Amino acid sequence: DTGVSQDPRHKITKRGQNVTFRCDPISEHNRLYWYRQTLGQGPEFLTYFQNEAQLEKSRLLSDRFSAERPKGSFSTLEIQRTEQGDSAMYLCASSLTRQITDTQYFGPGTRLTVL
Amino acid sequence: KNQVEQSPQSLIILEGKNCTLQCNYTVSPFSNLRWYKQDTGRGPVSLTIMTFSENTKSNGRYTATLDADTKQSSLHITASQLSDSASYICVVSDTGNQFYFGTGTSLTVIP
Repeated sequence: DTGVSQDPRHKITKRGQNVTFRCDPISEHNRLYWYRQTLGQGPEFLTYFQNEAQLEKSRLLSDRFSAERPKGSFSTLEIQRTEQGDSAMYLCASSLTRQITDTQYFGPGTRLTVL
Repeated sequence: KNQVEQSPQSLIILEGKNCTLQCNYTVSPFSNLRWYKQDTGRGPVSLTIMTFSENTKSNGRYTATLDADTKQSSLHITASQLSDSASYICVVSDTGNQFYFGTGTSLTVIP
């Protein structure tokens, strides 16, 4: 148990529906990352927050994707008007940035299936 | 272009044997390199982190090496166990805190 939790663990939705995922990082961690991983591939970076500020967004993050971390604690990732290509594992990770080598601790992921 | 390539793509070994996984990268400017173990259906778990000045780092039966000149890293697993069966992912970050993930090596340890 790494301490990062994600909810739900699995989500099945129909194309065109909106979905929202939640990530609860390790409590004192100031950085939070979202990744997407498809089968047989390594994780792809989507975005990251330092405290409540969203510092970086990948070009993979289309206008249909939005992430928030309103109080610098938990974060949500929303996908609007889902498409079949959105089917993937969505991973959240958190870290405490005090040194250059901050370790990212990953959650178990949310597996999204878009029908 | 910043890239991380891993080899082999998959590997099957007998329990108790050693194996070595490779990671080549072109990420620049380099900050650090991490190896993660990812069990099927779960998030990655950190094994080692190495900065530019570190050549080797061990974590139990896992030993990672780094050659920053040739931009190569290896992960050596000693006396493999069935529980080592997983994907091993190499991640390189640059000084701007961008993370570049390899596609992983899928390791299967058989009895």
